[in-house]
Amino acid sequence: DTEVTQTPKHLVMGMTNKKSLKCEQHMGHRAMYWYKQKAKKPPELMFVYSYEKLSINESVPSRFSPECPNSSLLNLHLHALQPEDSALYLCASSTTGTGVSEQYFGPGTRLTVT
Amino acid sequence: AQSVAQPEDQVNVAEGNPLTVKCTYSVSGNPYLFWYVQYPNRGLQFLLKYITGDNLVKGSYGFEAEFNKSQTSFHLKKPSALVSDSALYFCAVSFLYNQGGKLIFGQGTELSVKP
Repeated sequence: DTEVTQTPKHLVMGMTNKKSLKCEQHMGHRAMYWYKQKAKKPPELMFVYSYEKLSINESVPSRFSPECPNSSLLNLHLHALQPEDSALYLCASSTTGTGVSEQYFGPGTRLTVT
Repeated sequence: AQSVAQPEDQVNVAEGNPLTVKCTYSVSGNPYLFWYVQYPNRGLQFLLKYITGDNLVKGSYGFEAEFNKSQTSFHLKKPSALVSDSALYFCAVSFLYNQGGKLIFGQGTELSVKP
């Protein structure tokens, strides 16, 4: 099973809402990633978890809060977002975080902030 | 600084013709190179990678790429394009013990294959 699943597929939220994105993989991968992607642009890395510990935070605003409850799950908690945060949010995983292994991406959550 | 360049925003090819999507990179040390494809409203899908060894790498769906160290290039190729190959293609680079396995992406090339 080489699948990364993400829920929900679509999310519309107001600027005062709190919501969460969920990502799951059952490939035994030990590195998991959150990306933000605008239309027809490359994904922008937000966070990396390696062995369930946060290893990279790419200076992401605190209104985005990641969580890795266990090796298969990755959450992204959203609070007080801005309209410019509307984007496709992609989760990915890889065997390790050493740079050698390819990343497997989920289908994404399309987020609209109103 | 590490970087990846995809010099063409768009590539247009007739179905059945060979296709090439270009990628050049700049990395200190030995690079690990990847190609991903993204279909509309989908996540990225891994196509192939070069880590070491044979310079010609074969991947999914009949795609291949050639690593050229002297030209610092990793062009994606397919002998005969299909309409279903139309998508957005990203080249990416990483390197050994890169912190967190961070990928550095090119800007993407939109491939359009017409019947």
